[in-house]
Amino acid sequence: QSVLTQPPSASGTPGQRVTISCSGSSSNIGSNYVYWYQQLPGTAPKLLIYRNNQRPSGVPDRFSGSKSGTSASLAISGLRSEDEADYYCATWDDSLSSVVFGGGTKLTVL
Amino acid sequence: QVQLVESGGGVVQMGGSLKLSCAASGFTLSSYAMHWVRQAPGKGLEWVAFIRFDGGYKYYTDSVKGRFAISRDNSKNTLFLQMNSLRPEDTAVYYCAKDRADDYGDLIDYWGQGTLVTVSS
Repeated sequence: QSVLTQPPSASGTPGQRVTISCSGSSSNIGSNYVYWYQQLPGTAPKLLIYRNNQRPSGVPDRFSGSKSGTSASLAISGLRSEDEADYYCATWDDSLSSVVFGGGTKLTVL
Repeated sequence: QVQLVESGGGVVQMGGSLKLSCAASGFTLSSYAMHWVRQAPGKGLEWVAFIRFDGGYKYYTDSVKGRFAISRDNSKNTLFLQMNSLRPEDTAVYYCAKDRADDYGDLIDYWGQGTLVTVSS
């Protein structure tokens, strides 16, 4: 059972917009930055979004992040087949003095 | 460019020990905090340990406290994870990861390719 709750799966057709949610509490998302990672099959994770809504250079602007209270979300617009991957949210938890990850969301492009 | 190369993984019997290393290049290791994160076969990411830029603070996930120790040698650009009293549930790919900052608050911006640790019973 992960401290951060994500839907196990999401799907969309090419060109669509999909959103992945990440729910936490006041000790984690509510008081710390949220990060999002993309993990393509058989590869190491890659940073997609940092500090809630910032994109590293090289990440397409189709990817966007937001945070409100104790929840965060990742939006992917103009869905493409290469976006098929696992997506994870993460943040610090002040009560646990640890980093916590969501359980991951497997995105399928239909 | 940032490169993180893990080594030291392998097969070990339950109760045994392993020491993972992570060779860092392309950035100044002494300026950044570092993490170890693991991923059991077919499962999600699990954070394992954190070390501040100077080694002054270390944090661990509860399941490895007292068994694992994170350390760093900034002069050799290397991060370590000493793993003792290994259990079958420690079987995973272990990733070395660089933090965006020197201390607690930010998170990982670069990941290594991982090294597989298999604990047999």
